[in-house]
Amino acid sequence: QVQLVESGGGVVQPGKSLRLSCAASGFPFGNYGVHWVRQAPGKGLEWVAFISFDGNNKYYADSVKGRFTISRDNSKNTVYVQMSSLKTEDAAVYYCAKDGSYHDIDYWGQGTLVTVSS
Amino acid sequence: QSALTQPASVSGSPGQSITISCTGTSSDIGGYNFVSWYQQYPGKAPKLMIFEVSNRPSGVSRRFSGSKSDNTASLTISGLQAEDEADYYCSSYTISSTYVFGSGTKVTVL
Repeated sequence: QVQLVESGGGVVQPGKSLRLSCAASGFPFGNYGVHWVRQAPGKGLEWVAFISFDGNNKYYADSVKGRFTISRDNSKNTVYVQMSSLKTEDAAVYYCAKDGSYHDIDYWGQGTLVTVSS
Repeated sequence: QSALTQPASVSGSPGQSITISCTGTSSDIGGYNFVSWYQQYPGKAPKLMIFEVSNRPSGVSRRFSGSKSDNTASLTISGLQAEDEADYYCSSYTISSTYVFGSGTKVTVL
């Protein structure tokens, strides 16, 4: 079955960096794009970034553009998001999610919590 | 990219039908048939309920249906059940090749 397991969350100070990882299994990883979606405590879902199946196309929400970088290693079935210049408003549960065939998200990980606090 | 507009809450009695609206612009909902809907229980990851405006993934109840008119998409839940009580989010692909979620709707079963 499809599994997406995020890791790398934790507490980080404002202005610092953090890298999240997403290990995928149960599907042909190299054939699908992957999203990162976040959810601040008690708030709604916010799309963060997308990387295409081959890593050649990357898109970002305006709120993270220039600070976050999404990447993937198809040999390791893993997607990453490097987050820099973190702000308190970046604090959230970060979900890794598999792209479906119709610009939807058909599978989600369980999320990893990022806390930005001094 | 501003969030798509959803009502904060919708409620209904068991067996009734409810509809959740999701309003965007011609740059997202109105420009593409790539609207999806997600159900989320507290503390859990979202689950895909509808994709491509009106298609249900395998395993999703036929009580869930989707539609779209101009810049507004809708999710209808018929025969409302206690287990439908959750948060629901719409999402759309956009003209910038990005994605946008709705503000979310809390469904309460009375």
